[in-house]
Amino acid sequence: DTGVSQDPRHKITKRGQNVTFRCDPISEHNRLYWYRQTLGQGPEFLTYFQNEAQLEKSRLLSDRFSAERPKGSFSTLEIQRTEQGDSAMYLCASSLYGDEQYFGPGTRLTVT
Amino acid sequence: SQQGEEDPQALSIQEGENATMNCSYKTSINNLQWYRQNSGRGLVHLILIRSNEREKHSGRLRVTLDTSKKSSSLLITASRAADTASYFCATAAEGTYKYIFGTGTRLKVLA
Repeated sequence: DTGVSQDPRHKITKRGQNVTFRCDPISEHNRLYWYRQTLGQGPEFLTYFQNEAQLEKSRLLSDRFSAERPKGSFSTLEIQRTEQGDSAMYLCASSLYGDEQYFGPGTRLTVT
Repeated sequence: SQQGEEDPQALSIQEGENATMNCSYKTSINNLQWYRQNSGRGLVHLILIRSNEREKHSGRLRVTLDTSKKSSSLLITASRAADTASYFCATAAEGTYKYIFGTGTRLKVLA
């Protein structure tokens, strides 16, 4: 257990529905990252926060994806109008000053 | 495209042997990190090497960094069955924290 928690651990949804995932980082960590990982691939960067500011966002993130980190604590990742191609493991990680990242267990999304 | 690419894609060795995997990247970086992921589990940070360092050790792990060749290697000595996992390198271009992971090396250590 790295101290980073994610909820839910598994989510099955129908195509077209909206889903929201939550990440609780290690409390003193100022940086928070979201990644997406599909089978056999490495994590793919989605977005990154420093405190409450979203500083970088991948071009992979379409308008259907949005992330927030209110008050610089927990973060949420929302996917609107889900598509089958969104099926993946969504990983959250946190770090202090951009160095080693501590990953949560991930949320596995299945879009049917 | 991936910033980091690991080589080989898969490696199978006997317990007690050493395992070496390599990572190549494309841009100037602040640091390079190696992570391990056991099947179906989250990623675990192994070691970080900064751009001004050439070699770093942590237990049975040895990492080297060659910034002129934009490459790094991870050596695991005296491997154990518990080292069976996928290993990823991660880098971020200088001035960013957009970490890019490679496709990983799948290591299998046979008992």
